[in-house]
Amino acid sequence: AQSVAQPEDQVNVAEGNPLTVKCTYSVSGNPYLFWYVQYPNRGLQFLLKYITGDNLVKGSYGFEAEFNKSQTSFHLKKPSALVSDSALYFCAVRDPFSGGYNKLIFGAGTRLAVHP
Amino acid sequence: AAGVIQSPRHLIKEKRETATLKCYPIPRHDTVYWYQQGPGQDPQFLISFYEKMQSDKGSIPDRFSAQQFSDYHSELNMSSLELGDSALYFCASSPRTSGGASTDTQYFGPGTRLTVL
Repeated sequence: AQSVAQPEDQVNVAEGNPLTVKCTYSVSGNPYLFWYVQYPNRGLQFLLKYITGDNLVKGSYGFEAEFNKSQTSFHLKKPSALVSDSALYFCAVRDPFSGGYNKLIFGAGTRLAVHP
Repeated sequence: AAGVIQSPRHLIKEKRETATLKCYPIPRHDTVYWYQQGPGQDPQFLISFYEKMQSDKGSIPDRFSAQQFSDYHSELNMSSLELGDSALYFCASSPRTSGGASTDTQYFGPGTRLTVL
């Protein structure tokens, strides 16, 4: 069964420092991977996705993510964190080969707190 | 840029009542998805529609039904509401690309917060 794991409930980073939010996945075929961010009382905002090609994907607001097939990971990164990046981050996967290809399977979410 | 519109944004109902949530996708998006996010939980897929036909079904209770209309907007109908139905309900939409539905990005609306008392 397809699944996504975000091993950290919360990540604390000082403003200006690099940040990493971890995500690992388990799917039967080649995964399609997504990152979304959720601000309080707001919907999910799309950040970036990996479908195929270059393992380093660049997205919105200076975020990027690296797909690592051998480690089945898709960690979200940003070189220099901003206080405004503080939010809830969700990793999601789509496995087109296991049926139900429309749905996104989300991880539990990681709360990012960036301190001034 | 236009986003997904959901109405109402907040809804309070009593147990055993019914509720209807509406979703208006981004213009030229033909696929609509519904998700339920309980307190402190990740979003769970309920159901999706493509070109007015149900395309996929997740963990949607039999008390819930949904449809997509000719203008591509969608409605989620919820009957015999239970306390456990209290959640944030998201609608998302995506365009149909040449890569197929699996590669499409889903763009989410702000959600409808349903509280069942």
